[in-house]
Amino acid sequence: KAGVTQTPRYLIKTRGQQVTLSCSPISGHRSVSWYQQTPGQGLQFLFEYFSETQRNKGNFPGRFSGRQFSNSRSEMNVSTLELGDSALYLCASSLRIQSPLHFGNGTRLTVT
Amino acid sequence: QQQVKQSPQSLIVQKGGISIINCAYENTAFDYFPWYQQFPGKGPALLIAIRPDVSEKKEGRFTISFNKSAKQFSLHIMDSQPGDSATYFCAARTSNAGGTSYGKLTFGQGTILTVHP
Repeated sequence: KAGVTQTPRYLIKTRGQQVTLSCSPISGHRSVSWYQQTPGQGLQFLFEYFSETQRNKGNFPGRFSGRQFSNSRSEMNVSTLELGDSALYLCASSLRIQSPLHFGNGTRLTVT
Repeated sequence: QQQVKQSPQSLIVQKGGISIINCAYENTAFDYFPWYQQFPGKGPALLIAIRPDVSEKKEGRFTISFNKSAKQFSLHIMDSQPGDSATYFCAARTSNAGGTSYGKLTFGQGTILTVHP
């Protein structure tokens, strides 16, 4: 069974731009979560989607948004990028909201 | 109250030794405690998880010990191997749909484990 697939693996953007990251969950998984990983703040929850609806949201500004499609694939968008948005963005999928989370290898975003 | 505190930040163990990583939490609504292993360039991989109705869970060389009254849990890696060298994260989550932690994992800060051959 294929794991969680995130694209692209690496991104370099300029401050002020926007970016869209993509995530394909494990087949059959209906819940998708997004986490930001930085050396200083560690792993922090961004949001979770189930059946195309956002079920929970972390403490991030409104510049961070996401969505889930009917095939459970998910995208997250960051607008007006700031230098502090440089991080590894991890997508995780699970069968349901309370099921074990399985992470992808992430998208490394660098904002210059 | 949402924090999970993990220690030590780094740990060096000789091959064959026991690695012990500890975590403490405050939120009594947490009722699911997984451990993740992360190698450089990879995402975290689920190692083992426990719920508070048991005090210990063992899977191969990996054991979680859970102390509900102390609000602490720990990961023990027996017979540590160089291939175990990675960053380990503890985490916690609540199944209470009304809780703010519902559906999301709160992670500890991570422990960098180095196993010397």
